[in-house]
Amino acid sequence: AQSVSQHNHHVILSEAASLELGCNYSYGGTVNLFWYVQYPGQHLQLLLKYFSGDPLVKGIKGFEAEFIKSKFSFNLRKPSVQWSDTAEYFCAVNNGQNFVFGPGTRLSVLP
Amino acid sequence: DTEVTQTPKHLVMGMTNKKSLKCEQHMGHRAMYWYKQKAKKPPELMFVYSYEKLSINESVPSRFSPECPNSSLLNLHLHALQPEDSALYLCASSQVPTSGTTDTQYFGPGTRLTVL
Repeated sequence: AQSVSQHNHHVILSEAASLELGCNYSYGGTVNLFWYVQYPGQHLQLLLKYFSGDPLVKGIKGFEAEFIKSKFSFNLRKPSVQWSDTAEYFCAVNNGQNFVFGPGTRLSVLP
Repeated sequence: DTEVTQTPKHLVMGMTNKKSLKCEQHMGHRAMYWYKQKAKKPPELMFVYSYEKLSINESVPSRFSPECPNSSLLNLHLHALQPEDSALYLCASSQVPTSGTTDTQYFGPGTRLTVL
């Protein structure tokens, strides 16, 4: 069965620190990849997505992610986090039949 | 417009009540989804409708009954729920996935359900 794993359950950073959240998936075929963010008390919002082409994709709010096919990874990055980035981050994978979320990584940014 | 709306925002119901959750989108999407999300957990897929027909039911108990009256609306009818059904219920919509296409899902804000 297709699965999605996220490396960290909870990440704590200070403002201005760099961020990298890991995401790996198990499906071997063609996939579409997503990162969603859920701010406290708010709904899921799409941060960025990868369908094809340039494996480095840029999203909203200064986030980017790199698709590395050989590693089955789609890690999320941001060079300098802000307190307002405190949220739950979900990686998701779609193989055209199933849309599967990872378990989520909680990011806490200290002011 | 990438908005999916859900009503009500909050719902408290007893175990013998009957209530309904509503979801609406006007993006022309023909796939709509119900998810259940417990605190600090990822969303779990419950149902998928494609062209107003139920295409996926992830072994959800019959006390949850989905309905898709038209291409813009999705309902979730609730009856005889249990306290463990308390959760955030999310609706999403997307283009219908076909071979070679993609289906970004857009989520509504959810209905926070509490079963007493």
